[in-house]
Amino acid sequence: GAVVSQHPSWVICKSGTSVKIECRSLDFQATTMFWYRQFPKQSLMLMATSNEGSKATYEQGVEKDKFLINHASLTLSTLTVTSAHPEDSSFYICSASGRTSDSYEQYFGPGTRLTVT
Amino acid sequence: GQNIDQPTEMTATEGAIVQINCTYQTSGFNGLFWYQQHAGEAPTFLSYNVLDGLEEKGRFSSFLSRSKGYSYLLLKELQMKDSASYLCAVMDSNYQLIWGAGTKLIIKP
Repeated sequence: GAVVSQHPSWVICKSGTSVKIECRSLDFQATTMFWYRQFPKQSLMLMATSNEGSKATYEQGVEKDKFLINHASLTLSTLTVTSAHPEDSSFYICSASGRTSDSYEQYFGPGTRLTVT
Repeated sequence: GQNIDQPTEMTATEGAIVQINCTYQTSGFNGLFWYQQHAGEAPTFLSYNVLDGLEEKGRFSSFLSRSKGYSYLLLKELQMKDSASYLCAVMDSNYQLIWGAGTKLIIKP
């Protein structure tokens, strides 16, 4: 199956600093990439959807100036958490979709656990 | 509004069968997904249904009834490693996934 990688797998940063998370589709072209956030014991929450070469579409309540998303190529998307605060501590998961036959299946990265101290 | 309902938690015995239900109300329908998520890990794909009926894949089967807005995931011959959360998600008319809150499945020996 298709493989999506994320880097780093976990990161600890100080409040006020910025953190960049990379999401790569290793063996397919991802026309669309999604960024999710998951707080403990809660479901996935979609943050934004990005199509290659265009601006990301953010979900209501997600600050686009705080969570910068870049989808510069068909295999790479990045999420930058700017001026991180402890409440941004969460599990960030990306997924990639590249239409194959009749399925719009999303392939998930392993996730990045962010802890802001 | 859009809504996905599934039970919060279920308990089953090793070797048994368990059915996890999911009902949905969405604006449009482009398929229903089931994902398995172990604690601290990203979800992994289990199944995709877009037409009515039963899809079988090894020990796991998924059923869909579009007219009823209903799906279930059937797990047979339960193993301890099946202890996880099972997420139901529906792709709406905008091709966005609407996620259920997940069902935590606890397997007991």
